[in-house]
Amino acid sequence: DVKVTQSSRYLVKRTGEKVFLECVQDMDHENMFWYRQDPGLGLRLIYFSYDVKMKEKGDIPEGYSVSREKKERFSLILESASTNQTSMYLCGGSHDTGELFFGEGSRLTVL
Amino acid sequence: AQSVSQHNHHVILSEAASLELGCNYSYGGTVNLFWYVQYPGQHLQLLLKYFSGDPLVKGIKGFEAEFIKSKFSFNLRKPSVQWSDTAEYFCAVLNNAGNMLTFGGGTRLMVKP
Repeated sequence: DVKVTQSSRYLVKRTGEKVFLECVQDMDHENMFWYRQDPGLGLRLIYFSYDVKMKEKGDIPEGYSVSREKKERFSLILESASTNQTSMYLCGGSHDTGELFFGEGSRLTVL
Repeated sequence: AQSVSQHNHHVILSEAASLELGCNYSYGGTVNLFWYVQYPGQHLQLLLKYFSGDPLVKGIKGFEAEFIKSKFSFNLRKPSVQWSDTAEYFCAVLNNAGNMLTFGGGTRLMVKP
């Protein structure tokens, strides 16, 4: 069964802490994405990667960075977490056919 | 109030792949529907529109869209995409007064060479 797996379903962090959100896929996807999902705002793209070590900013990259050292892994980093980064974070992957497969999400609360 | 939903937020395709971008609207009256495209660094421009008549609408650059009233849909299609199709695509519906477009959230398409 193919999967996109996010390492943490729920995290609680304090303001100023560094946060790593990990995403691993076993579908050999070329493309991987990080979104955040907030009520009323839908999905907003943070960053995406179309190849190893390649990354592109999405709509709301401020306060975030990403790393893709291996094809199967795409990490989202919050260098200094803030309360407005409390959200649901969704990782997704796709082949060039366009269909996007999502992980289950990581709900981050920043206190 | 009318609303427009675009299901695909971000699509990455290889050149020559076929494209279909979904668009659904919620509006009970007569609809006028549009697809706009915004190429990197450029303003929004019209790709195609449907007002009435043939539900299969042809636009510029080989794009077409089909209005399916029963499904409240107006999906955009292109049989074979090119690298130059990399852009953001917006579906929109015109209000009854004819003076306001309600846009969907957009679909960002990247075509890999």
